[in-house]
Amino acid sequence: QVQLQESGPGLVKPSETLSLTCTVSGGSMSSYYWSWIRQPPGKGLEWIGYIYYTGSTTYNPSLKSRVTISVDTSQNQFSLRLSSVTAADTAVYYCARAREDISRMGYYYYYMDVWGKGTTVTVSS
Amino acid sequence: DIQLTQSPSFLSASVGDRVTITCRASQGITSFLAWYQQKPGKAPKLLIYAASTLQSGVPSTFSGSGYGTEFTLTISSLQPEDFATYYCQQLNSFPLTFGGGTKVEIK
Repeated sequence: QVQLQESGPGLVKPSETLSLTCTVSGGSMSSYYWSWIRQPPGKGLEWIGYIYYTGSTTYNPSLKSRVTISVDTSQNQFSLRLSSVTAADTAVYYCARAREDISRMGYYYYYMDVWGKGTTVTVSS
Repeated sequence: DIQLTQSPSFLSASVGDRVTITCRASQGITSFLAWYQQKPGKAPKLLIYAASTLQSGVPSTFSGSGYGTEFTLTISSLQPEDFATYYCQQLNSFPLTFGGGTKVEIK
């Protein structure tokens, strides 16, 4: 079965760039969307964005100016870069597989069916 | 952005109880809603998508219903392993958004 594992530094300095990688094992990246979601301490979930295996991306407008998600299917990995971080970016960061489905009316929708365990990133000097 | 409001934010229940959690959307989302369960220190787990479709492997004690702006997650008989926080998420309007969560604790 597919498993996802986040990796990257647990501590990032303010104004620097947060970089995380998600490694996909046990399955192919093809035909799926690959997402990043974060959860600040004691708070709810925030969708950051996703990338299709072909490389097309959709980002949360609230973060779009600072976010880049990329994919390397040859390595079965996708990555998150978040620039100019502040303490507000301190969170547990999850990667997840998003499935695309289509309703009877022909509308597409996306839900996250496989998640990584999450990695804690603290922004502090 | 579509806002999702969950109620209650917190509920206390006993093993065997029937529990219902509500999620209201700020605008109609037809049936494009999912429910997730999250236990402390763990990643969310998909329970239901498309408002009422049970994810493979999820016990049938969980069910979802609703359409448009009001949705419910029902646990027909609460089990010890069900004590967790539950989140709804809307699935087709970007940015994808989550509700604020409902924490279910043992009475």
